[in-house]
Amino acid sequence: GENVEQHPSTLSVQEGDSAVIKCTYSDSASNYFPWYKQELGKRPQLIIDIRSNVGEKKDQRIAVTLNKTAKHFSLHITETQPEDSAVYFCAASIGSGTYKYIFGTGTRLKVLA
Amino acid sequence: EAGVTQFPSHSVIEKGQTVTLRCDPISGHDNLYWYRRVMGKEIKFLLHFVKESKQDESGMPNNRFLAERTGGTYSTLKVQPAELEDSGVYFCASSPTGYTEAFFGQGTRLTVV
Repeated sequence: GENVEQHPSTLSVQEGDSAVIKCTYSDSASNYFPWYKQELGKRPQLIIDIRSNVGEKKDQRIAVTLNKTAKHFSLHITETQPEDSAVYFCAASIGSGTYKYIFGTGTRLKVLA
Repeated sequence: EAGVTQFPSHSVIEKGQTVTLRCDPISGHDNLYWYRRVMGKEIKFLLHFVKESKQDESGMPNNRFLAERTGGTYSTLKVQPAELEDSGVYFCASSPTGYTEAFFGQGTRLTVV
């Protein structure tokens, strides 16, 4: 069946450094890739997303890249801050034209002050 | 605008008991999704409602799980009888159409002992 692999499972970086989280997906029909951030005790919140017709998208300190050929996409956070500490989930749409997602297993990011 | 709300936030029940989780989507959102995260693993799709109709329930683990969405508003997810492996965090999400961002609730942490 379809699946999404996410690495690493935990990531510690010094404040100000960059963090990169990588995901690969299996369904070649997937065309929408959101990233969710979940802070402790709170709901997962969409932080950035990318569609399959775009290779890169940036929003301030956050960027996502997509390689459709290789079926992988990555989240890049630059100039990390303590408030970036959270669990990050990547997801891929199941098939095209749908917002039913397959999620990765999550990455716990810890930004050390 | 109120977000997706879920009740209860936590539930601890004994194996064999029944539990009902509730989700109130954002007002006007026709699409409602249930997901589940078992400890340390990915967030897995359970089912999708469009208004009161089940569009896709392919992720429901077995017939101990029953989801309803009366009148196309709030939804309930009943587990009867609960088993130890049902423990996890149950997320609900909603979106206005099937082609827009899904907004998540804060989740219900279910512990079966």
